[in-house]
Amino acid sequence: NAGVTQTPKFQVLKTGQSMTLQCAQDMNHEYMSWYRQDPGMGLRLIHYSVGAGITDQGEVPNGYNVSRSTTEDFPLRLLSAAPSQTSVYFCASSLFGGGNQPQHFGDGTRLSIL
Amino acid sequence: ELKVEQNPLFLSMQEGKNYTIYCNYSTTSDRLYWYRQDPGKSLESLFVLLSNGAVKQEGRLMASLDTKARLSTLHITAAVHDLSATYFCAVDRTSGSRLTFGEGTQLTVNP
Repeated sequence: NAGVTQTPKFQVLKTGQSMTLQCAQDMNHEYMSWYRQDPGMGLRLIHYSVGAGITDQGEVPNGYNVSRSTTEDFPLRLLSAAPSQTSVYFCASSLFGGGNQPQHFGDGTRLSIL
Repeated sequence: ELKVEQNPLFLSMQEGKNYTIYCNYSTTSDRLYWYRQDPGKSLESLFVLLSNGAVKQEGRLMASLDTKARLSTLHITAAVHDLSATYFCAVDRTSGSRLTFGEGTQLTVNP
């Protein structure tokens, strides 16, 4: 198993550009989430999904869109990049009702907006 | 709104010493997780605590949960340099899909 795979690992964008961060998992996990990590702020939830076709907003959803057409994939779209979206983005997955199982995290995408 | 606070945020220790990291949270929850993150790396799960009084140990690390006090602790025994990392606690009020993280504790263990 590859676990949770995120691409790209690094990206530089100009303000106003759009892009999609990819996330795929091969563990047949129902739950998938996107977090952003900023210095001194821990990780904050952007969007999450409890299964294919079902998504919901987290703590900081503005400026981001998600969709979940398959169990395996959960892409995050930046609609019009802003410097405030410079961050490290982590995708995570876990089992349904998996309170006794931790979320598994990808390696992250380091995104800079100029 | 669920808030999770860790202290200290920065901790510099000598090898061989003991110390405790505290994680307080603001609303009722019976699921708490501890993660470790090395610089530039992903998050690695350390412990899953699911009930009041839960205690788990792995090597030099021991985690506990007091749901009545809304407090979890991560105790470090006889620290070694390899434990240098940032440690996060995270609380979940749903079924595993929505974690609220603390700010993280940056631990440095000096020889």
